Amino acid sequence: QQQVKQSPQSLIVQKGGIPIINCAYENTAFDYFPWYQQFPGKGPALLIAIRPDVSEKKEGRFTISFNKSAKQFSLHIMDSQPGDSATYFCAAHKAAGNKLTFGGGTRVLVKP
Amino acid sequence: NAGVTQTPKFQVLKTGQSMTLQCAQDMNHNSMYWYRQDPGMGLRLIYYSASEGTTDKGEVPNGYNVSRLNKREFSLRLESAAPSQTSVYFCASSLDRSRTEAFFGQGTRLTVV
Repeated sequence: QQQVKQSPQSLIVQKGGIPIINCAYENTAFDYFPWYQQFPGKGPALLIAIRPDVSEKKEGRFTISFNKSAKQFSLHIMDSQPGDSATYFCAAHKAAGNKLTFGGGTRVLVKP
Repeated sequence: NAGVTQTPKFQVLKTGQSMTLQCAQDMNHNSMYWYRQDPGMGLRLIYYSASEGTTDKGEVPNGYNVSRLNKREFSLRLESAAPSQTSVYFCASSLDRSRTEAFFGQGTRLTVV
């Protein structure tokens, strides 16, 4: 049973487009929602994160939107570039045990 | 600054063989984790250690054991490897509950034939 559901599995956009990745969760005990970026052959690295008392957070071209009542959050990549081509994972953190639960991942390809 | 170091990077095992994946972090983090990554399945937690001296099962612990050797090191053991354990394994660490960013190693690509 996947506690964090992520969609779509893959996404292709043209340079300058805005890929949007969506995640949904059930457990209200989650207290922190990060996004990780992974390039081929590398481990995931933290990209941006949000806490549930905030509805939106921007860092550079990356924006998280958070809807606490719907238990959904999403990542938008503004003005996407070919260098943004990677796999993106949403995650949810539970303080008990200090552990992260990951979504299934979205492979994003930005075409030049 | 090495961060999280995993060894080996690649390994091929025959069914039934055993091996230990090693992980060490130099960031003085309290919590450490082992994940496996399979296509379309994301990262699934195998075992974790919230602090030195404790270990707990994650989502997919069957067929694995772990040892938190000290604060720096957290190893994952496959006692009798099976083809279903073919995967990419990642070790990660985080400071504590208040600093929740997880730092990942480069991964170990394991193939069981």
